[in-house]
Amino acid sequence: LAKTTQPISMDSYEGQEVNITCSHNNIATNDYITWYQQFPSQGPRFIIQGYKTKVTNEVASLFIPADRKSSTLSLPRVSLSDTAVYYCLAQGNTDKLIFGTGTRLQVFP
Amino acid sequence: DAGITQSPRHKVTETGTPVTLRCHQTENHRYMYWYRQDPGHGLRLIHYSYGVKDTDKGEVSDGYSVSRSKTEDFLLTLESATSSQTSVYFCAISPQGGDTGELFFGEGSRLTVL
Repeated sequence: LAKTTQPISMDSYEGQEVNITCSHNNIATNDYITWYQQFPSQGPRFIIQGYKTKVTNEVASLFIPADRKSSTLSLPRVSLSDTAVYYCLAQGNTDKLIFGTGTRLQVFP
Repeated sequence: DAGITQSPRHKVTETGTPVTLRCHQTENHRYMYWYRQDPGHGLRLIHYSYGVKDTDKGEVSDGYSVSRSKTEDFLLTLESATSSQTSVYFCAISPQGGDTGELFFGEGSRLTVL
């Protein structure tokens, strides 16, 4: 199983770009990288998923280098409402979906 | 709305009593998961199911059992609750399981074991 490692916490200010990196040294060939966002007292929700290079949607971008041993979630111009815990997940090789401890992002005014 | 309902949403019980949490889905998805979430530990997989009567253990399965007798319901049972099982429990469903499928989570069940 591809174990993922993320920073425990990050701070930012409104309007800044935030980059959260996830390390997954043992990622399998057919694993995808998926990011989830979780607000207090709610279940996590899907943000973005990718396999390699760059993926962009309306809320975030995901950068995955050629060796795929890490990935970076990029949140452009964060606002206070982006304060949450962000999880990366390597999935594809098994149905047993193991999350890491997540990164707690705090956005200040 | 992914059609997931967890019940009960809140429960307080005493050590040694049995507890069953229910996850109900309306989407007929094959894959269902139970996670627990505690401060400092993120989400930890307890058990998961890949079909009716097909279940497997996760990372922290000791003290928990599950059953899935029909597609829409996945039950998590604590046979004899302990204080260490005080936690928030999340159910999740996936149309595609461990492949590229997105996980949809319920709102959580907060369990307190006194």
